[in-house]
Amino acid sequence: NAGVTQTPKFQVLKTGQSMTLQCAQDMNHEYMSWYRQDPGMGLRLIHYSVGAGITDQGEVPNGYNVSRSTTEDFPLRLLSAAPSQTSVYFCASSNSGKVAKNIQYFGAGTRLSVL
Amino acid sequence: DQQVKQNSPSLSVQEGRISILNCDYTNSMFDYFLWYKKYPAEGPTFLISISSIKDKNEDGRFTVFLNKSAKHLSLHIVPSQPGDSAVYFCAASTGANSKLTFGKGITLSVRP
Repeated sequence: NAGVTQTPKFQVLKTGQSMTLQCAQDMNHEYMSWYRQDPGMGLRLIHYSVGAGITDQGEVPNGYNVSRSTTEDFPLRLLSAAPSQTSVYFCASSNSGKVAKNIQYFGAGTRLSVL
Repeated sequence: DQQVKQNSPSLSVQEGRISILNCDYTNSMFDYFLWYKKYPAEGPTFLISISSIKDKNEDGRFTVFLNKSAKHLSLHIVPSQPGDSAVYFCAASTGANSKLTFGKGITLSVRP
């Protein structure tokens, strides 16, 4: 059971470039989310999805785009990378509101540097 | 406005002693609280949780206490082990929505 898989693990971009961070889960979870972790800031929610076709903004959505065409996948798009987006990005999923209430399972993260 | 606060950035304890990690929250609508543990270069992993209808939840060496009137929860680790050295995040949610609000985390170091 792979759980939550994030690719790539590392990425270096130049300012203005675009890229997509991939996230896939094999647990048939309804809820998926993206966080960024910065030193001294904890985990901050970027975007989340409560099911296929439904997405919403979190605390820090600017500069990021998401879509949820399938239950399994929740890609995060950086449209025009900026140095302020240098961070570690985590994807998470949960079986929303059922037996394991609100417990989110995280991927290993993508470390992104924008030069 | 930070709704979940972990005011101490770090804690160092001796192996075998108790570790107490504190967390405060400001949103009275939070009704479910979780602790996550994170090692370097890994994603956070779920440790223990507590519903607002309880004041204590225990799982092996880990116990979480909730004081709703004070909007305060704490994680107790007894006895502490070197493998417990990690960053611990407190998180909270409201209702059936899985959206989590995290604190900034506290780095625990357990000295052999």
